[in-house]
Amino acid sequence: DGGITQSPKYLFRKEGQNVTLSCEQNLNHDAMYWYRQDPGQGLRLIYYSQIVNDFQKGDIAEGYSVSREKKESFPLTVTSAQKNPTAFYLCASRPGQANTEAFFGQGTRLTVV
Amino acid sequence: ILNVEQSPQSLHVQEGDSTNFTCSFPSSNFYALHWYRWETAKSPEALFVMTLNGDEKKKGRISATLNTKEGYSYLYIKGSQPEDSATYLCAFYAMSDYKLSFGAGTTVTVRA
Repeated sequence: DGGITQSPKYLFRKEGQNVTLSCEQNLNHDAMYWYRQDPGQGLRLIYYSQIVNDFQKGDIAEGYSVSREKKESFPLTVTSAQKNPTAFYLCASRPGQANTEAFFGQGTRLTVV
Repeated sequence: ILNVEQSPQSLHVQEGDSTNFTCSFPSSNFYALHWYRWETAKSPEALFVMTLNGDEKKKGRISATLNTKEGYSYLYIKGSQPEDSATYLCAFYAMSDYKLSFGAGTTVTVRA
């Protein structure tokens, strides 16, 4: 089945540790996105990539890093520089043309203690 | 940061009633406007993607309109049912940098 997979669903880390969230898609989509959701808030864009080997900062990129070495993969690293990393993280992909919808993963809930 | 605003933040609807809510976005740099439905414990799913001023889209009892000149879109739910309870998100796709920016959502609760 085609889809977008995020893993793990729940993740616990100690403060000061870097952690990498996985996002894989087999939809052959060009564009991929990472969003963060905090309680009572909407989706805020962290990073996005329109094409392999290229990515751009979103609105809240500080403390995060990404790579896009393969079309199907867009991992997000939450670094120790991120001041409030505990949140729900959603990955999405879309074909890239203006009139195409995004498909979302199931999300990863990260808790830093 | 792009301002995509949704109102109201939440609303309660009696089963069978119709309702509508708003998404406002910058009128410049427009490429597309998306609507998604996000049910509890699920991933957001697309309802509509609209690209042209005056676009009207319909899926069952849900429909949407688009005004790119004034920067707003309405989502309508006709004859609300309990299964319509969800958070409805709109997203603005910008021409200049291809960002897909979301509003905070409107949470709809349909009471039986």
